[in-house]
Amino acid sequence: GQQVMQIPQYQHVQEGEDFTTYCNSSTTLSNIQWYKQRPGGHPVFLIQLVKSGEVKKQKRLTFQFGEAKKNSSLHITATQTTDVGTYFCAAPAGGTSYGKLTFGQGTILTVHP
Amino acid sequence: DTEVTQTPKHLVMGMTNKKSLKCEQHMGHRAMYWYKQKAKKPPELMFVYSYEKLSINESVPSRFSPECPNSSLLNLHLHALQPEDSALYLCASSQVGVLPDEQYFGPGTRLTVT
Repeated sequence: GQQVMQIPQYQHVQEGEDFTTYCNSSTTLSNIQWYKQRPGGHPVFLIQLVKSGEVKKQKRLTFQFGEAKKNSSLHITATQTTDVGTYFCAAPAGGTSYGKLTFGQGTILTVHP
Repeated sequence: DTEVTQTPKHLVMGMTNKKSLKCEQHMGHRAMYWYKQKAKKPPELMFVYSYEKLSINESVPSRFSPECPNSSLLNLHLHALQPEDSALYLCASSQVGVLPDEQYFGPGTRLTVT
């Protein structure tokens, strides 16, 4: 089945440093979604990218969708302690499996004050 | 109201018990989902209901039995579980066929099987 590879698995940064997590697929994706899960919490939707080469910003967060729609990234500028959590990318499995998302393994972000 | 609620928050059950997890949403979403999540892992899809009909069953053991009584409610009936079934069980909902179709997750039920 479809797989979405996400790296790195862990990232430790000092507060104020930048952070980036990457997702890659061997197949073309119709769209990609990003979720954040705080420690002890549940996944919360951040954004959905649909168009080739799309770039979207949310304050200090920048999301990109590759030109070939096979990769995506999330970049956080000047991390804060509130950014701590696990960031997941997720892509539709496609075909007749509507609603089925293939999640990346997640990147666990730790921010040291 | 953009909230998905789940009850109970925590559940401890023995391997011979029968219990149910409940999920509710009032966003008019016609797709609802059950996920299982282990620590430091992504959510693992179990079931999808679309327009109150089961559309995806990810080869889940029969000791897990989903039910969708109406468009707002989703239940997961548990029977004869194993200790390895201990996990966070997440419910989610989404629109169908319209973008954006992000999934709204509930806070989850943390299940411990003893």
